[in-house]
Amino acid sequence: SYELTQPPSVSVSPGQTASITCSGDKLGNKYVCWYQQKPGQSPVLVIYEDTKRPSGISERFSGSNSGNTATLTISGTQATDEADYYCQAWDSGTVVFGGGTKLTVL
Amino acid sequence: QLQLQESGPGLVKPSETLSLTCSVSGGSMSSYIYYWGWIRQTPGKRLEWIGSIFYSGYTYYNPSLKSRVALSVDTSKNQFSLKLSSVTAADTAVYFCATDYYDSSASYRYFDYWGQGSLVTVSS
Repeated sequence: SYELTQPPSVSVSPGQTASITCSGDKLGNKYVCWYQQKPGQSPVLVIYEDTKRPSGISERFSGSNSGNTATLTISGTQATDEADYYCQAWDSGTVVFGGGTKLTVL
Repeated sequence: QLQLQESGPGLVKPSETLSLTCSVSGGSMSSYIYYWGWIRQTPGKRLEWIGSIFYSGYTYYNPSLKSRVALSVDTSKNQFSLKLSSVTAADTAVYFCATDYYDSSASYRYFDYWGQGSLVTVSS
């Protein structure tokens, strides 16, 4: 079965740029989306179709996808961005989620 | 804006059937191009898609759960439901319902409106 691999944790200083990766075989040939989940809350879609932002999502969030790696980039990281982030793709008739990355803003 | 709300028992005994319902407000299910999906999150925070259903009844299921899952939709009540049979402790999770946008031509789907989640514990 298809797998998406994310680093368990990423740390970033306030105001800096955070990059969270998601790796999978030929992932660049698929569309990837990203979710943000804060403690005790439901996931929120922040990127879909690799690069698109839903209405209401800050322009500080951007996405890319090429080769075997998709990347979620958060520019000017704020304390409120501290959360778990999950990538997701559709492969061979099933939805696949990455294991999640905890973003810590130090 | 669409709102989704899960409901159902918080405790289910092993080998029994887990049943949850998702109530949709803010619009008629049959007027949207969405599928309506179920996703669960384990205590270890792993997300797992269970399946999705269109208002017409067409379904997609996670192959790993397909033998135990049944989805249904009741457009008159603006609700859709999940039944998961023969549960074990491994089915303990927070169960979310969500809108599922599926583009069959480009082969992708994503979940943009989520319910608040319903914790289901499997224990005797």
